[in-house]
Amino acid sequence: AQRVTQPEKLLSVFKGAPVELKCNYSYSGSPELFWYVQYSRQRLQLLLRHISRESIKGFTADLNKGETSFHLKKPFAQEEDSAMYYCALSHGSSNTGKLIFGQGTTLQVKP
Amino acid sequence: NAGVTQTPKFRVLKTGQSMTLLCAQDMNHEYMYWYRQDPGMGLRLIHYSVGEGTTAKGEVPDGYNVSRLKKQNFLLGLESAAPSQTSVYFCASSYSGQLQNNEQFFGPGTRLTVL
Repeated sequence: AQRVTQPEKLLSVFKGAPVELKCNYSYSGSPELFWYVQYSRQRLQLLLRHISRESIKGFTADLNKGETSFHLKKPFAQEEDSAMYYCALSHGSSNTGKLIFGQGTTLQVKP
Repeated sequence: NAGVTQTPKFRVLKTGQSMTLLCAQDMNHEYMYWYRQDPGMGLRLIHYSVGEGTTAKGEVPDGYNVSRLKKQNFLLGLESAAPSQTSVYFCASSYSGQLQNNEQFFGPGTRLTVL
């Protein structure tokens, strides 16, 4: 069964510390992986996707097919990074765009 | 542009009542989606549409119906509300489902409580 797992409900770090939000997936085909973010009082929005291989707001994520992971990393956390982060998977070969979301991780960056 | 809008923002229903949630987008997107968000479960897809006049079931479709009579609107109906349908409902749209064009844009959400 297709599944996305985010093992941490809450991740609390101090400003300037490195951050890694974990995401593991279960999928038999070629998935497309995303990170979506929801800041306080804002809408859920796309942060980055694996096919773009780009850094957004200092965050990067590498798809590791061997470990079926797509962890989100940032070397130095900022207070404005505090938000709810969702890892999501889409069927790479399907054109429906359907997303399977993980449970979400709340990142709290303390001053 | 307003992007994706949802009506209403909040609603309280009694068990057995019916209601319709409206989602509208002004981005000329083909694809639209309805999700529900529950604590500890992330977002789960209820129904989706890949174009005007089409709908399909998602992961948790039971108890809901949808219609996409106009390209810009996607309606989610609850015929007989149950307490298990207490949730936050999000609508989203995307230009297509294909790579590079499948970023989903979300509405602000509707908080529904069923007593």
